[in-house]
Amino acid sequence: GIQVEQSPPDLILQEGANSTLRCNFSDSVNNLQWFHQNPWGQLINLFYIPSGTKQNGRLSATTVATERYSLLYISSSQTTDSGVYFCAVGEIGTSYGKLTFGQGTILTVHP
Amino acid sequence: DAGVTQSPTHLIKTRGQHVTLRCSPISGHKSVSWYQQVLGQGPQFIFQYYEKEERGRGNFPDRFSARQFPNYSSELNVNALLLGDSALYLCASSNLGQGSYEQYFGPGTRLTVT
Repeated sequence: GIQVEQSPPDLILQEGANSTLRCNFSDSVNNLQWFHQNPWGQLINLFYIPSGTKQNGRLSATTVATERYSLLYISSSQTTDSGVYFCAVGEIGTSYGKLTFGQGTILTVHP
Repeated sequence: DAGVTQSPTHLIKTRGQHVTLRCSPISGHKSVSWYQQVLGQGPQFIFQYYEKEERGRGNFPDRFSARQFPNYSSELNVNALLLGDSALYLCASSNLGQGSYEQYFGPGTRLTVT
């Protein structure tokens, strides 16, 4: 099956700093989503981005499907950005409802 | 509009027991997927149901089963519970057939097996 690798595994920032999270995947995908998991376990949709670039406020994401990677940019980080960020992909040829998740990046933003 | 809902929120069971978890998708969504997330890992795919039929199954033992009802809600059943089944169980719904495979997750059911 498809492999999904996220880096870095941990990231510690001061408030106001910028960061880039990376997601590499091993095969072609028809779905790529970025999530933020809050301390209660809720997965919050950040981006649905199987290809191209999107922006939402201080967050933006880029997926280069031909090179099998995606990047999540967080600018002017805030303490509320802390949590676990997951990249998840849907592999072409498998169930459309199946997402394969990476191991996540744990982001800690200090005031 | 209401998002994906799951019940119960928390559950404590004893080894060997059976458990049923419930999920209601976003109104209009016909696809429901179930995931298991153990501490420190990303969620792992268990099942997908679409139009009341199983469309995908992950690498889980036969103790895990699921079904989808005519109103597209779904149940996940786990028999003969093991300590290792302790996890957060997440349900996701999606509106397949509308040109997007985006999935939306519920708040999860936290299962503890003692």
